[in-house]
Amino acid sequence: SQTIHQWPATLVQPVGSPLSLECTVEGTSNPNLYWYRQAAGRGLQLLFYSVGIGQISSEVPQNLSASRPQDRQFILSSKKLLLSDSGFYLCAWSARQGAEAFFGQGTRLTVV
Amino acid sequence: RKEVEQDPGPFNVPEGATVAFNCTYSNSASQSFFWYRQDCRKEPKLLMSVYSSGNEDGRFTAQLNRASQYISLLIRDSKLSDSATYLCVVSGGSNYKLTFGKGTLLTVNP
Repeated sequence: SQTIHQWPATLVQPVGSPLSLECTVEGTSNPNLYWYRQAAGRGLQLLFYSVGIGQISSEVPQNLSASRPQDRQFILSSKKLLLSDSGFYLCAWSARQGAEAFFGQGTRLTVV
Repeated sequence: RKEVEQDPGPFNVPEGATVAFNCTYSNSASQSFFWYRQDCRKEPKLLMSVYSSGNEDGRFTAQLNRASQYISLLIRDSKLSDSATYLCVVSGGSNYKLTFGKGTLLTVNP
């Protein structure tokens, strides 16, 4: 069966520090991968999605970036965090475009 | 018009009640539809897909009306464990990305 791992679960980072969140999927090949952010009391906002290695589409201009160095690995990064980057970051995968997505347990990021 | 709109609630219902949520979407080219539930401070989890003919899974029934561009979720005989935020999700368009509504908060009271 397929599983998705996301870490860390909780992170507190100072303003201006870098960020790296990692997500890996097991039990499937060539998944579609997604990074979402959910700010407090708000809906899920799609940040990036990828249909294959090295293929990244950005939905919202911001100081975040994403990379997919391997088929089942998706990384969210920032060189310098802002206070507004605080939120609940969720990685997800789907078997194909338009199919249901399955989420990792999320990373709760607080920028202080 | 927002891509996916839901009544934010909150809905407070007693155990055993029937509750219905509606969701509208703006992209007529949307192809796939889902309901997710999200517990407080947890990740969203797939509740059910929504098919054109409507579908039922135990106490949950989902309906799709393409002409009016809305989706519904009906929960019968509500349980305390049904308390959560219910997210309407639509996929379609040129890149088939999943677009989430902001969710409807349900609290089932004893």
